[in-house]
Amino acid sequence: EAAVTQSPRNKVAVTGGKVTLSCNQTNNHNNMYWYRQDTGHGLRLIHYSYGAGSTEKGDIPDGYKASRPSQENFSLILELATPSQTSVYFCASGRGLGNSDYTFGSGTRLLVI
Amino acid sequence: AQKVTQTQTSISVMEKTTVTMDCVYETQDSSYFLFWYKQTASGEIVFLIRQDSYKKENATVGHYSLNFQKPKSSIGLIITATQIEDSAVYFCAMREVYNTNTGKLTFGDGTVLTVKP
Repeated sequence: EAAVTQSPRNKVAVTGGKVTLSCNQTNNHNNMYWYRQDTGHGLRLIHYSYGAGSTEKGDIPDGYKASRPSQENFSLILELATPSQTSVYFCASGRGLGNSDYTFGSGTRLLVI
Repeated sequence: AQKVTQTQTSISVMEKTTVTMDCVYETQDSSYFLFWYKQTASGEIVFLIRQDSYKKENATVGHYSLNFQKPKSSIGLIITATQIEDSAVYFCAMREVYNTNTGKLTFGDGTVLTVKP
């Protein structure tokens, strides 16, 4: 069954450390997305990708980098983690245009102390 | 820029009743797509139903239906015969077709629905 898998499910990181969140999809979707979810803010787009080798800035990209080494994998990188990046992060894949919906991963809960 | 607003932070209803959740949106595009997603207590986010802006008929899937009022830029989600398991957070989202070619969805802040027995 096609799916989006995120790892790790939970992560505790220290301030100033590097954090990598991983996402793998078996949907063969071209587009992938990273969102963060905070109370009162819903889902906000951090980075997205049209395909292998491409990354684009979303609405709140500051403090984050992204990497799309293959069609299946899309990573979110926090080079210098800060407590303000404590959040729940969701990866999603989609065909991108028109009426296609997203398939979401289960989320990664990140705590930066 | 596109914007999606859900003004109801939370709603509580009795089981087997009908509930409507509101959503208004802003867009410069003449063509767009509107979506509703459900986030369960476990955190899982699933797609529920979609409305294409060029369609006049309201979409219906199972016990979910939409009230699309284009002149008011409004897309309400209606759940009939609610069940306990409908308790969740519901997100409204929009995708513009022409002005931004990213395929990205813009989400509202969500409405927490509690269904009581």
